[in-house]
Formats: sequence, structure tokens, C-alpha cells
Amino acid sequence: DGGITQSPKYLFRKEGQNVTLSCEQNLNHDAMYWYRQDPGQGLRLIYYSQIVNDFQKGDIAEGYSVSREKKESFPLTVTSAQKNPTAFYLCASSIDFGTAGANVLTFGAGSRLTVL
Amino acid sequence: AQSVAQPEDQVNVAEGNPLTVKCTYSVSGNPYLFWYVQYPNRGLQFLLKYITGDNLVKGSYGFEAEFNKSQTSFHLKKPSALVSDSALYFCAVRDEGNTPLVFGKGTRLSVIA
Repeated sequence: DGGITQSPKYLFRKEGQNVTLSCEQNLNHDAMYWYRQDPGQGLRLIYYSQIVNDFQKGDIAEGYSVSREKKESFPLTVTSAQKNPTAFYLCASSIDFGTAGANVLTFGAGSRLTVL
Repeated sequence: AQSVAQPEDQVNVAEGNPLTVKCTYSVSGNPYLFWYVQYPNRGLQFLLKYITGDNLVKGSYGFEAEFNKSQTSFHLKKPSALVSDSALYFCAVRDEGNTPLVFGKGTRLSVIA
């Protein structure tokens, strides 16, 4: 079955440590996205990538980094510079980014990060 | 800049009654509008979208939404609610330009048996 796989599902981190969240898709989608979800704040865009080897900052990129070396993979690193990293992180993909704006996002099941 | 508002944090409805989850939007041109649903500790699932054409859009699980350009609204509706409809619902919008989708803060729907 085609879809998006996020790992790990749960992750605990000590303050000052970097962590990397994995996102893999087998949908042959060009565009991929990372969102952060906090209670009462909805989804906020961290980074997005329209195509391999290209990515753009979203609304809350500070303290995060990404890479897009392969079409299937879009890992997110939460660095020690992110002051409040405890959240639910969602990865998504779409066929492409800009065609008529009509593309539906497919989401992974999410990764819950807790900083101890 | 585009934005979307979901004015209700929580909506409670009795099973079998009609339900409405409200959404209003702001874009500079023509909007592309979406509704997604999220069950606990899961990712979001697509319900329906409005791109152009009929103002009444039908989607998954018996949901529908009505696009109202004059009121800049895209309310989600269902004629008869089920307990299994209880979830978090997100409205999202993007404009015709090369910008990402913007999500509302979500509305928690509780259907009571």
C-alpha cells in the first residue's frame, strides 16, 4: 500500500540534544511538508519541499533543519536551538506543489516528541 | 496573505442530529478550500475540497460543505451525526499563487449518543 511512514512514533529527548524525525513516502509525490501541531494552535508549517534538492522555510522554521536528497525522504532535525520542541510532528506529501492549488495532502501518522 | 478561521473550539451535537462546523477564510484571489479530519494520535485525513464549480461539495463519510463567496465561508455539514464522527476537524485554504496550504486551529466535534 502507498503511504507515508513516520518514525519513531514516540521520542524522548533531553534538553540540548538534536533529534531527527524520519519521513518516507512511496507515493511518488514531488512535494513534501513538515507541520507542527500543538493543542489549540492547529497545524503550523515548519518546512516544505517542492522537489528534490530544494526546500523552503515555513512559518516556524527557527530551530529546525531539513534535507531532501531523495524524492522519497524528507527528514526533520529538531535542534537544540528550538526552545519549545515538545509537540506532535506531522509529515505530509502531495503530487506536486503548485498545479492549480488543488492537490490533496496525504499525511503520515505523526511523531510525538517530548523533551524531558 | 491567506488565513482561515474556525470560530468554535468545540461543537457538541446529539447523534442523529445535523451538524455544522464553521470556517471562514481570507485570500487575495480565488480560494482553494479543504476540510480534513483527525482522529486521536493520528495524521489528518482528507474529507473534501472546493476548487471551482458547484458551491455544494460532497465528500467522504456523508460530509458536505457549502462554499459561500459573499460570506467567505466554507462550513462543513452532515445531515445526521454519528458517534464515530467525533474527531478534530480542520479547514484549510490556499490561494492561486505558489503558496502553501494554511490550516485553521481546528474544531473538536463531539457527537453524544
